[in-house]
Amino acid sequence: EIVLTQSPGTLSLSPGERATLSCRASQTVPSNYLAWFQQKPGQAPKLLIYGASTRATGIPDRFSGSGSGTDFTLTISRMEPEDFAVYYCHQWGGSPRTFGQGTKVEIK
Amino acid sequence: EVQLVQSGTEVKKPGESLKISCKSSGYNFATYWIGWVRQMPGKGLEWMGIIYPGDSDTRYSPSFQGQVIISADKSVNTAFLQWSSLKASDTAMYYCMRRGTVGELDYWGQGTLVTVSS
Repeated sequence: EIVLTQSPGTLSLSPGERATLSCRASQTVPSNYLAWFQQKPGQAPKLLIYGASTRATGIPDRFSGSGSGTDFTLTISRMEPEDFAVYYCHQWGGSPRTFGQGTKVEIK
Repeated sequence: EVQLVQSGTEVKKPGESLKISCKSSGYNFATYWIGWVRQMPGKGLEWMGIIYPGDSDTRYSPSFQGQVIISADKSVNTAFLQWSSLKASDTAMYYCMRRGTVGELDYWGQGTLVTVSS
């Protein structure tokens, strides 16, 4: 099983600041089948990025994904008030699919 | 418009059985895999398994194999998750989602909260 470790656990930022979230895999994620989700309280997760760097439909371009192999990054170029949430990475290149433990991005 | 609508909140006692549902619309249900994820209170996301409604091919995460049954009925565009004997540790939010064309989980249901308590 591919274990995904996200860091930091919590990120405290002000609106307008840049957010950099990390997801490290215990082994290479085949075909860079790595996604990022955003989850707000009381809501289902929302797909932001898949294939490591492809934005999902309707996702603003302030969200970008990068990385390959075992190291992946989600960058939010300028935090908007609605971006404060928990973010999860997810891989489906290995079986079973797995999720990271999440990074909470909170208002500083 | 693609939509996945899940059945409502359930409150059950330990040992009871349960079947929750996920009804899809806006696309060809038979040709996209449907997956399930568990989220225990205050915790992260856990992959449970996935089914291809076209032929009912089902794959379980080892952690959930034998603990739940995933099924689908093409005639009503609905996937199901069921338990034969609930435990308190099954208390969680359960989400269904569609697997997109490259494997991404692109559309999610709103979640079904299951509470198991004596």
